Amino acid sequence: DAGVIQSPRHEVTEMGQEVTLRCKPISGHDYLFWYRQTMMRGLELLIYFNNNVPIDDSGMPEDRFSAKMPNASFSTLKIQPSEPRDSAVYFCASSLGQGMNTEAFFGQGTRLTVV
Amino acid sequence: DAKTTQPNSMESNEEEPVHLPCNHSTISGTDYIHWYRQLPSQGPEYVIHGLTSNVNNRMASLAIAEDRKSSTLILHRATLRDAAVYYCILSVLTTSGTYKYIFGTGTRLKVLA
Repeated sequence: DAGVIQSPRHEVTEMGQEVTLRCKPISGHDYLFWYRQTMMRGLELLIYFNNNVPIDDSGMPEDRFSAKMPNASFSTLKIQPSEPRDSAVYFCASSLGQGMNTEAFFGQGTRLTVV
Repeated sequence: DAKTTQPNSMESNEEEPVHLPCNHSTISGTDYIHWYRQLPSQGPEYVIHGLTSNVNNRMASLAIAEDRKSSTLILHRATLRDAAVYYCILSVLTTSGTYKYIFGTGTRLKVLA
């Protein structure tokens, strides 16, 4: 397996534009996580899914952020409208099982810059 | 809320052992201790995890204090490729019955040749 695949690797957009980040988890994994990393706040969990169903979205910063998982092999994180403070590296991770006794595999991340 | 505390940075000489400490005094009995590392421009990578007993794998060892309020990640022989940010993480059981990772701020390890 090629691991968790995220696209694009880099995204530069203007304030107010819609941004869509994409993630393909490892085949067979039933949990998918979206994280955001900034210098100020470190790594933050935004939302996670189990079997394509959102379980905990308490980390989503505001209504401008939304995430979907239409099937087991694809997820999107959308920001609409984007703002400069959304600039960060966004990571997607997947795991077989969750949390306590499992290993999460992270993608390479998408570096988002909102100007 | 559960949290971890780590030194911001540490240095080690190549080929020497490294002990990376982590305090998690608010840990609950059901919380697992995980360690991940992040190489430059990469996503975090799993290193090791444990609950109560010390753990060994091919990458490292994890020593957990008897009261579980602290732990130490041990790299037996540091190499230049081990230079990374090391995160001590609690896997916390939430009220919904699921687990979630609580990331600390990490320790930046510098390995000197």
